[in-house]
Amino acid sequence: NAGVTQTPKFQVLKTGQSMTLQCAQDMNHEYMSWYRQDPGMGLRLIHYSVGAGITDQGEVPNGYNVSRSTTEDFPLRLLSAAPSQTSVYFCASSYSNRGYGELFFGEGSRLTVL
Amino acid sequence: SQQGEEDPQALSIQEGENATMNCSYKTSINNLQWYRQNSGRGLVHLILIRSNEREKHSGRLRVTLDTSKKSSSLLITASRAADTASYFCATEGSGNTPLVFGKGTRLSVIA
Repeated sequence: NAGVTQTPKFQVLKTGQSMTLQCAQDMNHEYMSWYRQDPGMGLRLIHYSVGAGITDQGEVPNGYNVSRSTTEDFPLRLLSAAPSQTSVYFCASSYSNRGYGELFFGEGSRLTVL
Repeated sequence: SQQGEEDPQALSIQEGENATMNCSYKTSINNLQWYRQNSGRGLVHLILIRSNEREKHSGRLRVTLDTSKKSSSLLITASRAADTASYFCATEGSGNTPLVFGKGTRLSVIA
């Protein structure tokens, strides 16, 4: 049982480049979300989705896009990378479309923007 | 913001001792959860306590919730070196809002 799978694990970008962080879960979870983790800041919510075709903004959505065309996948797109987006990104899912219950996390994607 | 704030930021104890971490939050909640993160890894759920519960146990973990003080504590008894990790509280607001995480407590258990 793979759980939540994130790719890539590491990425280096130049300022202005775009890229997509992939997230897939095989638990048939309705709820999926993206967080970023920065030193001393804890985890901050970027975007979330309560089901296929439905997305919403979290605390820090600027510079990021998401879509949810299937239950399994929830990619995070960086449109024009900036050094401020250097961070560790975590995808998480939950069985409930209300975000209740425990979140299952991926192992993280470490992004450096030069 | 309903972000939980953990206290202390860092804690260092000897193996076999108990570790207590606290979390305070600002607004009404449906539930409060505790997560653990080993260095370089994703977060792992430890325990969930609902707003109408006061105490919950899971193995060596004991969580309390005081909604009148808007605070929770996580107690790890008989700590082991393997308990070394960061611990985060996360709150789900009463308005069905997504989980909001605190900044975490970094626990070091010295063998």
